[in-house]
Amino acid sequence: DQQVKQNSPSLSVQEGRISILNCDYTNSMFDYFLWYKKYPAEGPTFLISISSIKDKNEDGRFTVFLNKSAKHLSLHIVPSQPGDSAVYFCAAIPPQGGSEKLVFGKGTKLTVNP
Amino acid sequence: ETGVTQSPTHLIKTRGQQVTLRCSSQSGHNTVSWYQQALGQGPQFIFQYYREEENGRGNFPPRFSGLQFPNYSSELNVNALELDDSALYLCASSSDLAVYNEQFFGPGTRLTVL
Repeated sequence: DQQVKQNSPSLSVQEGRISILNCDYTNSMFDYFLWYKKYPAEGPTFLISISSIKDKNEDGRFTVFLNKSAKHLSLHIVPSQPGDSAVYFCAAIPPQGGSEKLVFGKGTKLTVNP
Repeated sequence: ETGVTQSPTHLIKTRGQQVTLRCSSQSGHNTVSWYQQALGQGPQFIFQYYREEENGRGNFPPRFSGLQFPNYSSELNVNALELDDSALYLCASSSDLAVYNEQFFGPGTRLTVL
C-alpha cells in the first residue's frame, strides 16, 4: 500500500517553460513534505520542503504547493532548464513516534529539452 | 565539510552469501538511515541508527541488520542474500539538531545478487 504516490513516471518540457510535478498522499497525518532531486549515479539531494501548516513555499525557481484537503502537493519549476533534467522524488515525514522516517514516492523523471 | 560517502560503489554477490555495506556520515551528523531503492521504485526505509542504537525500522526481515560506530559511521549487513535484494542501497545522514528530518544522501552502493 503506497502512502505517497507519483502517478507520472515521466515528464518532458521545453526549456523556459513551466514544469509541474505532482504527488498524492493517503495519510492525512503526514506533517512535513520534501522534494528530492536525483541525478544518475548520485544520491538524492534535498530540493525544497513544506510544512503542513503552509500551502506554499518558494525558493528561487522552485515552488511547492500543498492542498491538504485533496492530499496533493505539486512542485513547480519556472523557468525549466536542461540542468533540471533528473528524477524527482516526493517524500513525507510520518507522524511522530512512527518507525518510518521518510516515505518516498516512486519518482518522476523530468526531461527538459533545449 | 565532507559529505556522505559509501563503499563499495558496486558489488556482485550470489544467493545465500552475506554482504556488508559501509557509510560515513556527514561531519556533525549523528544519525544514519539506510534505504533500499529497487529498480523503478522510490527509496524504501530499512532502519535508522542514532547514537549507536537502532531508532526505527521499516518492513525488512531480520537478516537486514546494522551497526553504528562511535564516530557515527555505519554498516548495513544482509545475510542469506536473495535475488530480490538486488538494488541500490542508500545511506543518509542527519542531525538530531535539525528542525525537521532533512537527510543528506550518499551516492549509494549498487548490489547485484546472482
